[in-house]
Amino acid sequence: GENVEQHPSTLSVQEGDSAVIKCTYSDSASNYFPWYKQELGKRPQLIIDIRSNVGEKKDQRIAVTLNKTAKHFSLHITETQPEDSAVYFCAATQGAAYKYIFGTGTRLKVLA
Amino acid sequence: GAVVSQHPSRVICKSGTSVKIECRSLDFQATTMFWYRQFPKQSLMLMATSNEGSKATYEQGVEKDKFLINHASLTLSTLTVTSAHPEDSSFYICSAGGTSGGVDTQYFGPGTRLTVL
Repeated sequence: GENVEQHPSTLSVQEGDSAVIKCTYSDSASNYFPWYKQELGKRPQLIIDIRSNVGEKKDQRIAVTLNKTAKHFSLHITETQPEDSAVYFCAATQGAAYKYIFGTGTRLKVLA
Repeated sequence: GAVVSQHPSRVICKSGTSVKIECRSLDFQATTMFWYRQFPKQSLMLMATSNEGSKATYEQGVEKDKFLINHASLTLSTLTVTSAHPEDSSFYICSAGGTSGGVDTQYFGPGTRLTVL
């Protein structure tokens, strides 16, 4: 079946450094790619998203890039802060069904 | 962003009982709601897709008779875990997609932590 691979599973960075999380999807019909941040015991919060007709999107310290040909998309966080520490999930829509297939998650730890 | 509530936030029940979880979209109409379960340190696994006024579509391996879903209105979907057993203990999260933010954006509820003794 369709799937989304996410790497790395854990990531530790020093405060102020950048963090990059990468995802690969398999469904060529996927057209929407959201990123969620989830703190322990809390709901996933949408932090940025990108549609398939766009190659890059930026919102302050967060950016997402999409390579449709290679079926890759990445989350970039610059000037990381301790409050960025959380689990990040990428997702891709499954065809036109509005369903999401989630990646396995990346536990980001920003060291002060 | 759109607001989705979920109730209860946590529930502890005895094995064999049924538990109902409510998911509400508070400030928009959700044509589609989704139910996920999440085990500790794992990703979100889609259980079923719920459309207002029609039967839910279950993912492969999810028992429809065990996890009853009702989407009675554009703002309310319920998940009932019937005859719960300890292996059903998990974090259950709903999400809603609809007219706010585009139909393919899902906004998540705060989750329900179910513990079955």
